[in-house]
Amino acid sequence: QKEVEQNSGPLSVPEGAIASLNCTYSDRGSQSFFWYRQYSGKSPELIMFIYSNGDKEDGRFTAQLNKASQYVSLLIRDSQPSDSATYLCAVLKGGSQGNLIFGKGTKLSVKP
Amino acid sequence: GAVVSQHPSWVICKSGTSVKIECRSLDFQATTMFWYRQFPKQSLMLMATSNEGSKATYEQGVEKDKFLINHASLTLSTLTVTSAHPEDSSFYICSARAIGGYTDTQYFGPGTRLTVL
Repeated sequence: QKEVEQNSGPLSVPEGAIASLNCTYSDRGSQSFFWYRQYSGKSPELIMFIYSNGDKEDGRFTAQLNKASQYVSLLIRDSQPSDSATYLCAVLKGGSQGNLIFGKGTKLSVKP
Repeated sequence: GAVVSQHPSWVICKSGTSVKIECRSLDFQATTMFWYRQFPKQSLMLMATSNEGSKATYEQGVEKDKFLINHASLTLSTLTVTSAHPEDSSFYICSARAIGGYTDTQYFGPGTRLTVL
């Protein structure tokens, strides 16, 4: 089992819809989870992180964490064509001083 | 958020030459920086962890004599690709760890695109 798994997509949603991106992880002891966005040919940029069970909202983005199910998701409300990118889920391994383990990313396409 | 820069943003070199890439944290100190490589349409691959004042920790399969890492200060890490060959052509991205209240966060530089002819 891979440490961090994501559906590679592509996930296609119409403009204005909610995009739901999912991620599962294998290490039950993981504490911190991150979502990065990567446009084609660019480096990843941090969207948000979450470490408590439940939801965390930041603008149009909501991260959801369920540690019992080892599941973390990212919801993008009112999706825009500019949201089209690859979304990387990352899990911090080895405690607060550890390394990020990345999933392979989900490619999102928002159609006008 | 914290800002990380990389230089150069792209480089084209002949096979056999060495290329140095700099990674700087501009508005914070980073005791730890990371170097990644990404081939087209593939996921990020961690190459090594760079610790200020000590030797880098390389991931399995990454040649430490080929990819030299120096973390001379709290704001600068360098990656030198020695005797580069066409198969080393890739997108090299660094990240720097910023210390946070609950959890540290990694911020990425813009990346360096290396093409070896």
